[in-house]
Amino acid sequence: EADIYQTPRYLVIGTGKKITLECSQTMGHDKMYWYQQDPGMELHLIHYSYGVNSTEKGDLSSESTVSRIRTEHFPLTLESARPSHTSQYLCASGKLGRDEQFFGPGTRLTVL
Amino acid sequence: AQKITQTQPGMFVQEKEAVTLDCTYDTSDPSYGLFWYKQPSSGEMIFLIYQGSYDQQNATEGRYSLNFQKARKSANLVISASQLGDSAMYFCAMREGERGAQKLVFGQGTRLTINP
Repeated sequence: EADIYQTPRYLVIGTGKKITLECSQTMGHDKMYWYQQDPGMELHLIHYSYGVNSTEKGDLSSESTVSRIRTEHFPLTLESARPSHTSQYLCASGKLGRDEQFFGPGTRLTVL
Repeated sequence: AQKITQTQPGMFVQEKEAVTLDCTYDTSDPSYGLFWYKQPSSGEMIFLIYQGSYDQQNATEGRYSLNFQKARKSANLVISASQLGDSAMYFCAMREGERGAQKLVFGQGTRLTINP
């Protein structure tokens, strides 16, 4: 059973606000990921990391940024939220050398 | 070009029947992995089953099995004896390149509804 946590689960916020979506895992996984998913649609990778101080952009361009200062923590930040950022954001982690990714419960973001 | 294609946007099945969810993939890499995930209405993604491109046998996990047909580039998920709790979105995904590579590519998903 994977132990990966995301907060908040739901967030409704006004345009222009800065937000940080939190993701933590307690499994010591080196690899961590952020996906964006619109309702009923496929997941798109927006950021990933394979260790501390390593971050890469994913396949879908995103205005968000990430950091990886500690192995267990991979927060995602939007400096100025806009309605187009309304979506579900899923965090995942995995072991180096293994394919399986374990997902958190997601954060449903609504920007008004 | 779409790397993972799920052609069934929605499926409706009677409880206790078996169901097959289709997935075809496109890659020229000889090493790849295929995954199925379940996403209930609560939103989390639950890993179900994995098949490696070099695996000789089809993967099975309880009521889930993966019908892997390499020449056809298909990796269909079979759920035996469906239950009401199986109602969810199901996503097929692929990892290209050597095992442990960083990225998965997901299909569009199939919404499965189990009727009592």
